[in-house]
Amino acid sequence: AQKITQTQPGMFVQEKEAVTLDCTYDTSDPSYGLFWYKQPSSGEMIFLIYQGSYDQQNATEGRYSLNFQKARKSANLVISASQLGDSAMYFCAMRATGNQFYFGTGTSLTVIP
Amino acid sequence: ETGVTQTPRHLVMGMTNKKSLKCEQHLGHNAMYWYKQSAKKPLELMFVYNFKEQTENNSVPSRFSPECPNSSHLFLHLHTLQPEDSALYLCASSRREGGTDTQYFGPGTRLTVL
Repeated sequence: AQKITQTQPGMFVQEKEAVTLDCTYDTSDPSYGLFWYKQPSSGEMIFLIYQGSYDQQNATEGRYSLNFQKARKSANLVISASQLGDSAMYFCAMRATGNQFYFGTGTSLTVIP
Repeated sequence: ETGVTQTPRHLVMGMTNKKSLKCEQHLGHNAMYWYKQSAKKPLELMFVYNFKEQTENNSVPSRFSPECPNSSHLFLHLHTLQPEDSALYLCASSRREGGTDTQYFGPGTRLTVL
């Protein structure tokens, strides 16, 4: 069965510091994609970063990077130089074969000034 | 206008009302999705449409009725809802149905059923 696990319900980080949000996944499909989304209090789910299962290098997008460890089935999101606007819910998601996107329960990040 | 838009952003309705949620995508995508997001639960996929054809219905009660007249528009018709249907309803689109294409989401409709 496909599954995404986010074990940190809430995280705090000091402004300008880096923070890692954990995500582990479970799938038997050889080809899959891993995604991170940010959801501010306004509700919109904002796409941040994508990692394909066959990608050799970790994905990076500006201050976001994905620490992909395939053998451990983990896809942690690293946010560098945190900003106050980074305070939001963060969701890890996976898509394998078929239509389904599997989402984790999310991590609430609060950036402290 | 760009991206995925949803209207209304907020909706309060009684259990006997009939209302519709609208989603429109301006990304040239072929697949569209409805999700339900309840407090402290993972997102639940409700329906998937690919090239206007429904390809997924995740055991959603019949009081939710989707409609996809074309690849750019998606509706969710609501009737005789229950208070437990109160949630954030998110629409998303992707270039195609399968594979690992990124889904892009709209801002959601926050629904309250009294």
